[in-house]
Amino acid sequence: NAGVTQTPKFQVLKTGQSMTLQCAQDMNHNSMYWYRQDPGMGLRLIYYSASEGTTDKGEVPNGYNVSRLNKREFSLRLESAAPSQTSVYFCASSEASWFLQETQYFGPGTRLLVL
Amino acid sequence: KQEVTQIPAALSVPEGENLVLNCSFTDSAIYNLQWFRQDPGKGLTSLLLIQSSQREQTSGRLNASLDKSSGRSTLYIAASQPGDSATYLCAVSPVTQGGSEKLVFGKGTKLTVNP
Repeated sequence: NAGVTQTPKFQVLKTGQSMTLQCAQDMNHNSMYWYRQDPGMGLRLIYYSASEGTTDKGEVPNGYNVSRLNKREFSLRLESAAPSQTSVYFCASSEASWFLQETQYFGPGTRLLVL
Repeated sequence: KQEVTQIPAALSVPEGENLVLNCSFTDSAIYNLQWFRQDPGKGLTSLLLIQSSQREQTSGRLNASLDKSSGRSTLYIAASQPGDSATYLCAVSPVTQGGSEKLVFGKGTKLTVNP
């Protein structure tokens, strides 16, 4: 049982390049999330998916797109990377729903540097 | 807009001391409040979840309390150990954001326990 896995662990991009961050969970959770963590800003929600086939914007969605490929996988895509997207990206999953209160389980993070 | 504040931003204590971490939030309309631990370079690990109808939760040497009306929570750590050194994050699930699955995080308190 690996929990939540993320790839890659670290990535360096040049401004304007694109990339996809991958996330997978093996806990059969319905909900999945992408956050970014910046010094002095805390964790901020980028996008989340309440179930397979659905996605919704979080607090800071601009410059990102997501795909909920199936129940296990939730990817985050940067179409044209900017230095402001330099951050640590965390994926999380949860059984939480509109009416069910459960905690979130986090992956180890992807450290992204945009030059 | 819900805001979560954690004071102090950093705390250093000698081993064996009992300590309290504080969290405040601006809107008392929440589904739950959660405490997480983050080790350097790692993802978040859930410690305790307190539902809005509850006053406290306990796990081992950890005790978290919730006073929803005043918008405050405390995390009490008994008999601190060097292994408790980490950043502790508080998060609330605001009712205004729909279901209970979304979280708003504080910026964390970095705890150092000195041997």
